[in-house]
Amino acid sequence: GQQLNQSPQSMFIQEGEDVSMNCTSSSIFNTWLWYKQDPGEGPVLLIALYKAGELTSNGRLTAQFGITRKDSFLNISASIPSDVGIYFCAAANAGNMLTFGGGTRLMVKP
Amino acid sequence: DVKVTQSSRYLVKRTGEKVFLECVQDMDHENMFWYRQDPGLGLRLIYFSYDVKMKEKGDIPEGYSVSREKKERFSLILESASTNQTSMYLCASSLGGYNEQFFGPGTRLTVL
Repeated sequence: GQQLNQSPQSMFIQEGEDVSMNCTSSSIFNTWLWYKQDPGEGPVLLIALYKAGELTSNGRLTAQFGITRKDSFLNISASIPSDVGIYFCAAANAGNMLTFGGGTRLMVKP
Repeated sequence: DVKVTQSSRYLVKRTGEKVFLECVQDMDHENMFWYRQDPGLGLRLIYFSYDVKMKEKGDIPEGYSVSREKKERFSLILESASTNQTSMYLCASSLGGYNEQFFGPGTRLTVL
C-alpha cells in the first residue's frame, strides 16, 4: 500500500496566490521527486531531490528535501490557470521502486 | 527530451478479449515500467523490466503479462480482459536507476 501521505488532497485557490503542499512518510528515503499530471495525460517530472535539506527551484516551483529524509515540500508561487492538475510526490531508496503519494489536486480560479 | 509513447490513448474491449498495450521509448533507457492508475488508489506497479527479455513482477501482476523483445519496446498483455481491469495504464522508462521515471501519456482502457 501507499506509504507516502500527501496533503492537502485538494486545493481550490485564486489565481496569483502561492501554493504549498507536502508529502510525509514514516520511512526514510534517499530520493524525493515531484510530478505533475494534467487531465488525461501522464505524469511529468518537475523536480528531483537527492540530498537531505536540498532546496531546488524550477521556474515558479520550489521543492525541498526534508532534513529528516521523511518528508518533502512543494511550493508554487503566483499560481496561474495552467497550474491546474494533480501533483504527485514520489520517493525511493537506491535500487528500489518508486513509492507514490496519493496526489494533491490543484484547482485555480481565474 | 525523453519521449515515451503509448499505442492508444483510448481503448474499449470486451470481457474475455486478449488486449495488447504497447509502449515505446526513444532514449535508450534500460528500465521500463507498467502502472495502472485508479481513483483513490494512486499509481500501482504491475511489471517492470530492467533489460531485454528480463521482467519482474510489481505489486499487482495478477491477470497481466509483459514482453520486452527490444530495448525500446515494452508490451503489457491482458490475456483475458475483465471489467475490473478498466483503468488508466501508464508506461514509464528510466535510464540507470529506478528513480527518475519518464511517463507516457497513458491509455485509458474500458472493458465492457
